[in-house]
Amino acid sequence: DIQMTQSPSSLSASVGDRVTITCRASQSIRSYLNWYQQKPGKAPKLLIYAASSLQSGVPSGFSGGGSGTDFTLTISSLQPEDFATYYCQQSYSFPYTFGQGTKLEIK
Amino acid sequence: EVHVLESGGGLIQPGGSLRLSCAASGFTFSSYAMSWVRQAPGKGLEWVSSISGSGGGTYYADSVKGRFTISRDNSKNTLYLQMNSLRAEDTALYYCAKDFQVAVSGRFDPWGQGTLVTVSS
Repeated sequence: DIQMTQSPSSLSASVGDRVTITCRASQSIRSYLNWYQQKPGKAPKLLIYAASSLQSGVPSGFSGGGSGTDFTLTISSLQPEDFATYYCQQSYSFPYTFGQGTKLEIK
Repeated sequence: EVHVLESGGGLIQPGGSLRLSCAASGFTFSSYAMSWVRQAPGKGLEWVSSISGSGGGTYYADSVKGRFTISRDNSKNTLYLQMNSLRAEDTALYYCAKDFQVAVSGRFDPWGQGTLVTVSS
């Protein structure tokens, strides 16, 4: 199975900050990497697919990058509604696997 | 509007069976693969199973293979997950999610609100 490791596991930041979350795959997954946002008590929401493509309706402040084994999710200027848990997920091969999550909290 | 809604969760004893359903609306159901993803209380996300739009391709996590069966009824716009030989470690919120194409791709959007399965004596 492909292991997905996110860092950091938690992050405190302020409104207006630029933040970057990283995700590393245990082997190359080319660009088969998706990012999801989950707010407490809510279902996950797709933000980025294919490593860098912004899902329709997602604010342009979100961006993704990387390929192979190393990936990033960047929020250019944190908004109050961005405080949530973020998960990366590889869709390169079965079983699909998720990172452990990064909880983004208000400083 | 694209919408998926899970049902069928509940409290079940270890070794028991349960069938989850996911009703879909707002899109041509047979044209899209579908998946189940679960989340244990306070934990992260775990992919469980996926099925192609025709139902001809099914895929499972090793943790549920041989115990769970994914299926779909395209005439009813409904996805199912038959869960047998349930274990305590199957306790989780089970989400249904739509894929972006007829073949399974692993790109999940949107997700339903989930149905809670609790396996306990």
